[in-house]
Amino acid sequence: QKEVEQNSGPLSVPEGAIASLNCTYSDRGSQSFFWYRQYSGKSPELIMFIYSNGDKEDGRFTAQLNKASQYVSLLIRDSQPSDSATYLCAVTTNAGNNRKLIWGLGTSLAVNP
Amino acid sequence: DAGVIQSPRHEVTEMGQEVTLRCKPISGHDYLFWYRQTMMRGLELLIYFNNNVPIDDSGMPEDRFSAKMPNASFSTLKIQPSEPRDSAVYFCASREGPGTGELFFGEGSRLTVL
Repeated sequence: QKEVEQNSGPLSVPEGAIASLNCTYSDRGSQSFFWYRQYSGKSPELIMFIYSNGDKEDGRFTAQLNKASQYVSLLIRDSQPSDSATYLCAVTTNAGNNRKLIWGLGTSLAVNP
Repeated sequence: DAGVIQSPRHEVTEMGQEVTLRCKPISGHDYLFWYRQTMMRGLELLIYFNNNVPIDDSGMPEDRFSAKMPNASFSTLKIQPSEPRDSAVYFCASREGPGTGELFFGEGSRLTVL
């Protein structure tokens, strides 16, 4: 069973701090990695994707990938109350002839004013 | 574009009743996905279509679930008969092209089976 693991949280950080969200995956063959944000009662929306080892920055968000350790993380700098949401890690895995997204259960983030 | 459109947004029904959920993908997107989300199991892929053809339905829980995509702009997910354990939020998502591009989700259909 190919899996994606995340701490469920809640992760609580003060406004302006750095929030660090972590994700591990079991399939060494995974090639693509995604972070989705889901506000309560809403649908997931893509924040970041990363394919190569290292860091990828987009505004206040940085995705970090370490394929050797099978680990992907999301850093949110200068956290804002509007960042309070559940963050879902999704990883592609090969299942037979199909490539699928496997989802973590998500980490709940609370940014306190 | 209006995005992925799902209906109904909320459905409350009694055990044994038939439930039909509907989805209109984003125009031009050739992949359509049906997901189910619960607190315990997270997002689970039920089935996906490419160019209206079902590609992988291995996530469909059992024969009570069926999905169709009669044309590029419409898909249904049907549960018959429904059971309380089917209570969840059902999301439809679409994507343009193969590979692992961005999934665009609808607002979801919250199903409660009493």
